[in-house]
Amino acid sequence: AQSVTQLDSQVPVFEEAPVELRCNYSSSVSVYLFWYVQYPNQGLQLLLKYLSGSTLVKGINGFEAEFNKSQTSFHLRKPSVHISDTAEYFCAVTDGGATNKLIFGTGTLLAVQP
Amino acid sequence: NAGVTQTPKFQVLKTGQSMTLQCAQDMNHEYMSWYRQDPGMGLRLIHYSVGAGITDQGEVPNGYNVSRSTTEDFPLRLLSAAPSQTSVYFCASSSPWGEQFFGPGTRLTVL
Repeated sequence: AQSVTQLDSQVPVFEEAPVELRCNYSSSVSVYLFWYVQYPNQGLQLLLKYLSGSTLVKGINGFEAEFNKSQTSFHLRKPSVHISDTAEYFCAVTDGGATNKLIFGTGTLLAVQP
Repeated sequence: NAGVTQTPKFQVLKTGQSMTLQCAQDMNHEYMSWYRQDPGMGLRLIHYSVGAGITDQGEVPNGYNVSRSTTEDFPLRLLSAAPSQTSVYFCASSSPWGEQFFGPGTRLTVL
């Protein structure tokens, strides 16, 4: 069975500082990986996705993530955060099989401080 | 192109009442799903469907029913609401490679 671990429940960071949100997954088959962002009182929005090809994936709002198969990781990074990046970030994995079930991590709250 | 729509946005129920959360998508996706979101627990899959007439249970199906009579609609029914079902509910539809598109959510309170 697949699973996703987001070890950090909350990451405080100052504005304009770099940030990394960690995500590790477990799966016995090839996977597709996603990062979603949820702003307060809103639904989930896709930030970026890894389906195949280049292991460095660029997304919206200046975020990027790197797929590392040997370490089963898909960490999210941004070189300089803004106050507006304050949100909950969810990592998710699917094997893209017939059911397309998406397994989510428990989320990381990115709290950007001035 | 509305994507995924959900109604209502807010709902308050009394214990034992039943209700249906509506979900519709206009992207012609075969796969649809319902999640509940609770603090510190991320999103948990309640039920999903891989096409009209086909549904299956997810991680937390107890107390909920679904049906899929058309590709567009995937309603979630609470049979007899309980306080433990107080949550935010999200409906999603999925592209063939697993990218999911979420509705805006329904915030449900059961008293």
